[in-house]
Amino acid sequence: GQQVMQIPQYQHVQEGEDFTTYCNSSTTLSNIQWYKQRPGGHPVFLIQLVKSGEVKKQKRLTFQFGEAKKNSSLHITATQTTDVGTYFCGTSYGKLTFGQGTILTVHP
Amino acid sequence: NAGVTQTPKFQVLKTGQSMTLQCAQDMNHEYMSWYRQDPGMGLRLIHYSVGAGITDQGEVPNGYNVSRSTTEDFPLRLLSAAPSQTSVYFCASSYSTQNYGYTFGSGTRLTVV
Repeated sequence: GQQVMQIPQYQHVQEGEDFTTYCNSSTTLSNIQWYKQRPGGHPVFLIQLVKSGEVKKQKRLTFQFGEAKKNSSLHITATQTTDVGTYFCGTSYGKLTFGQGTILTVHP
Repeated sequence: NAGVTQTPKFQVLKTGQSMTLQCAQDMNHEYMSWYRQDPGMGLRLIHYSVGAGITDQGEVPNGYNVSRSTTEDFPLRLLSAAPSQTSVYFCASSYSTQNYGYTFGSGTRLTVV
């Protein structure tokens, strides 16, 4: 089945710095979905990418899907304390499975 | 629209006890899934369903049973609780796995002693 690996596991940044998390697969993916989970909360859907080379933006967040559809990234520009949480990538092909997630902490 | 409702929010079980975690959605979603979340392990898929009467195993199904008799409900049964099943459990649903994101419930924090 389609599986994804996510790195890094942890990322600590100063407020205002940029942040990137990466999602990789050994197989071609049908799609990539990104979720955010605030501390103590539940995962919340952010976006889905389906096309090769696709780039989507949500304010300070930029999502990319690789040309070969085997990797994806989430980049946050100028992090804020409200960005704290765990970011998960996942792929859905009959079922939704996730990478291990990246825990982001932001120091004010 | 309540979304995805999970009950209970917290539960403490003794080893060997059985219980059912409830999950209900009011969005007419066909796809429903159960995940467990442990520190450093991310979200691991336990069981999933693509419609009423259809269920399948995920990555970590042992010790858990599911059934899907209606579109709305997808209960997760722990047959004989073990300390290794101490975790946070999330139920999620989606209209489709191909073009829609999943909506998650607020979770059930389970402790087995």
